Amino acid sequence: AQSVTQLGSHVSVSEGALVLLRCNYSSSVPPYLFWYVQYPNQGLQLLLKYTSAATLVKGINGFEAEFKKSETSFHLTKPSAHMSDAAEYFCAVSDQGYSTLTFGKGTMLLVSP
Amino acid sequence: SQTIHQWPATLVQPVGSPLSLECTVEGTSNPNLYWYRQAAGRGLQLLFYSVGIGQISSEVPQNLSASRPQDRQFILSSKKLLLSDSGFYLCAWSSPGEGKWLFFGEGSRLTVL
Repeated sequence: AQSVTQLGSHVSVSEGALVLLRCNYSSSVPPYLFWYVQYPNQGLQLLLKYTSAATLVKGINGFEAEFKKSETSFHLTKPSAHMSDAAEYFCAVSDQGYSTLTFGKGTMLLVSP
Repeated sequence: SQTIHQWPATLVQPVGSPLSLECTVEGTSNPNLYWYRQAAGRGLQLLFYSVGIGQISSEVPQNLSASRPQDRQFILSSKKLLLSDSGFYLCAWSSPGEGKWLFFGEGSRLTVL
C-alpha cells in the first residue's frame, strides 16, 4: 500500500528565506509523486509532478522538488520565500497501475515579513 | 480548455437531513472523477472515484454515496447527515490511466449542526 508522510504540520520562514517542506513516501513500485498547494477555502492547485523522467522537477512559482529513491523522499524547496507563498502544501503519491492519489496530511507554510 | 464546477460552495444542514453535492467537468471526455473530504488536521481522504458512467468505487464505509449519471457529472449524496460529515468536500478529475494528476474544483464547505 502506498502512503505519504509530511514532516511538520506547520513550517515558519521569513520572507526571503529558503523554503523546505519535507515529504517521504512508501510505495512498492516506482511511484508518481506530486505537490499541490491550497489557499484558504479553495481547491488544490498542482505545483509540480514527478513521473519517472528527470529527478529534479521544476514547478510553478519558483518551486522545485527532487526525487531521491534511496531516501524515498520528494522534498519541496524554494530559494526565497514570498509572502504570497503562505498556504497549505500537500504531497501525494500514486503507484503504477493506480488511478488514485494518496495525500499526506499537509504542511502549512507561514511566511513572516 | 477543461474546467470543473462544483456546487454549492457553502452548505449548512441539520443532522438527519439529506445531502446532494454536484460536480461537472467541461472540455474533456471520459474523465476519471473523484470525491475527497478534507477535515481539519487530517489531510485529504478519498471517498469515491469513478472511471466511467455507473462505475463507482468506494474507499471508506460511511453513510455517503456517489453516482455518475452522465460522463462528466459526479454527485455526492447522503440520506441522513451526521455531525461527523462536516468538512470541506472536493471534487476532482483526471485523464484516464495511471499516474495522472488531479484537477480540483473549488470545494464545498458542509457544516452539519
